[in-house]
Amino acid sequence: DIQMTQSPSSLSASLGDTLTITCRASQSITTHLNWYQQKPGKAPKLLIYAASGFQSGVPSRFSGSGSGTDFTLTISSLQPEDFATYYCQHTHSAPWAFGQGTKVEIK
Amino acid sequence: EVQLVESGGGLVQPGGSLRLSCEASGFTFGNYWMTWVRQAPGKGLEWVANIRQDGGEKFYVDSVKGRFSVSRDNAKNSMFLQMNSLRAEDTAVYYCARALFIDSWNNDYWGQGSLVTVSS
Repeated sequence: DIQMTQSPSSLSASLGDTLTITCRASQSITTHLNWYQQKPGKAPKLLIYAASGFQSGVPSRFSGSGSGTDFTLTISSLQPEDFATYYCQHTHSAPWAFGQGTKVEIK
Repeated sequence: EVQLVESGGGLVQPGGSLRLSCEASGFTFGNYWMTWVRQAPGKGLEWVANIRQDGGEKFYVDSVKGRFSVSRDNAKNSMFLQMNSLRAEDTAVYYCARALFIDSWNNDYWGQGSLVTVSS
């Protein structure tokens, strides 16, 4: 089974900051990698699909890159509504799996 | 508007059974794979199961194999998760999600979740 490792597990940032979250797969998943945002008590929301595809309605300050085993989610100019937990997910083959999450908090 | 609504959660004793439902609207349900994902209290997301459009292919995470069964009724725009031999570690919010393929698979729409608590 393919394991996903996210880093960092949490970070503190200020409004306007640019931050990067990384996700590493235990073997190549080409670009079968998605990113989700989750706020407390809410369902996850798809941000980026297929490593770099922009989901409709998601602000352009969110971007994704990578292929193979190493991926990044970048959030430019952090806004108040961006403080949340972010998860990567591989869908290369069953069983699909999520990273452990990265909690973004206000500094 | 795409909507997914889970129901059927609640409190159940260890070893007991529960059946979750997910009712879909706003899209042609029978055209899509569907997914169950769960989240234990204060923990991360865990993929549980996928089911093909016709129900003929199903995949499960190892921890639920032999205990959980996913099914669907396309005529009723509904998916189900039959959970047997429940354990304390199955306590979680269970989400249903639509699976979509654009260059790769993703879960583009999610329900609000249904809480399952396994406790004596």
